[in-house]
Amino acid sequence: DAEITQSPRHKITETGRQVTLACHQTWNHNNMFWYRQDLGHGLRLIHYSYGVQDTNKGEVSDGYSVSRSNTEDLPLTLESAASSQTSVYFCASSGPNTDTQYFGPGTRLTVL
Amino acid sequence: AQTVTQSQPEMSVQEAETVTLSCTYDTSESDYYLFWYKQPPSRQMILVIRQEAYKQQNATENRFSVNFQKAAKSFSLKISDSQLGDAAMYFCAYRSADLATYKYIFGTGTRLKVLA
Repeated sequence: DAEITQSPRHKITETGRQVTLACHQTWNHNNMFWYRQDLGHGLRLIHYSYGVQDTNKGEVSDGYSVSRSNTEDLPLTLESAASSQTSVYFCASSGPNTDTQYFGPGTRLTVL
Repeated sequence: AQTVTQSQPEMSVQEAETVTLSCTYDTSESDYYLFWYKQPPSRQMILVIRQEAYKQQNATENRFSVNFQKAAKSFSLKISDSQLGDAAMYFCAYRSADLATYKYIFGTGTRLKVLA
């Protein structure tokens, strides 16, 4: 069955370190998204991509970057981790002819 | 810009009873999609139900149904015969029908507790 996976599921890091969160989907979806979930804010969009070599900033993109070199993967990089980036991160994907997004299981990131 | 508001941070319901979760949204678009997602303690986001704005008929999925009031920009979720497994965070989401955009806008969520 097609799926979307994230790794690691849990990560603890120190401020100033570079961190990369992986997202891999086997739906063959063109569209991929990264969200962060914080109490009282719901899910907020960080970055998104509508296809290979395409990336776009969401509403909370500062301090994050993504790259899309193939259809299946959209890694999220925190260039220099900050305590404010402690959160749960979700990856999602959707196809060109569907309005529904499918979510990964999430990554809990703690920045000390 | 579109916004989605869930004004109930937390709700409780007795097992086997019915509960309604509220969601309002703001948009100038005439065509769009609305969703309810469930997030149990496992953190997995699970699609519960979706509604197409151009359809007047309210969507239904087993014990889950919506009351979609387009003019009032209201999209509430009714859960009938509540079960312990329904306990979760519920998020309302909006998506434009514009084919050039696939972004979702989420509300802040409602935590549902089911009492035995």
